[in-house]
Amino acid sequence: GQNIDQPTEMTATEGAIVQINCTYQTSGFNGLFWYQQHAGEAPTFLSYNVLDGLEEKGRFSSFLSRSKGYSYLLLKELQMKDSASYLCAVLDSNYQLIWGAGTKLIIKP
Amino acid sequence: IAGITQAPTSQILAAGRRMTLRCTQDMRHNAMYWYRQDLGLGLRLIHYSNTAGTTGKGEVPDGYSVSRANTDDFPLTLASAVPSQTSVYFCASSEGLAGTDTQYFGPGTRLTVL
Repeated sequence: GQNIDQPTEMTATEGAIVQINCTYQTSGFNGLFWYQQHAGEAPTFLSYNVLDGLEEKGRFSSFLSRSKGYSYLLLKELQMKDSASYLCAVLDSNYQLIWGAGTKLIIKP
Repeated sequence: IAGITQAPTSQILAAGRRMTLRCTQDMRHNAMYWYRQDLGLGLRLIHYSNTAGTTGKGEVPDGYSVSRANTDDFPLTLASAVPSQTSVYFCASSEGLAGTDTQYFGPGTRLTVL
């Protein structure tokens, strides 16, 4: 079966750095997405990785290791508005997105 | 209209009733999708459409049907609602036919079936 694993919940302090991990086992791989979802709102796109390595975009970075079936999202200089759920999703061999359950990130002052 | 709109925002429905969730996008995207999101589970694909006139089944299609008569609209119909269909439903679209395109989501419809 196909499986995406992420921690259910994480807590971090404003101004700090947090790393949210995602491991996957899917039938094929055509890329990995990270989305942000604030409570009661729609998911919004953060990043897309298809090659190994680190992609940096402002305060957010995403890393991929295809051989390990592993990705992480790194958030720097945390702000209160970063409190949200972060969804990892993998594009499988049929080009359908398989979604993890999401990691709820709580930021404390 | 900017992006994707969904209607209604929320709905309480008696079991056995028929319900259509509406989705409209103004970005001229080729592909559209319907997902459901349940607590503790990832988004699950119900149906999708790669282009106007075509539809396909996702991971959890049973009890749902869709149509894609034109580029902009992608309604989702529950023929006879059951309590297990209580969920938040998201419509999404992406520009091209390649699954690598970013998906843009509507605001969601919160559906409760009693």
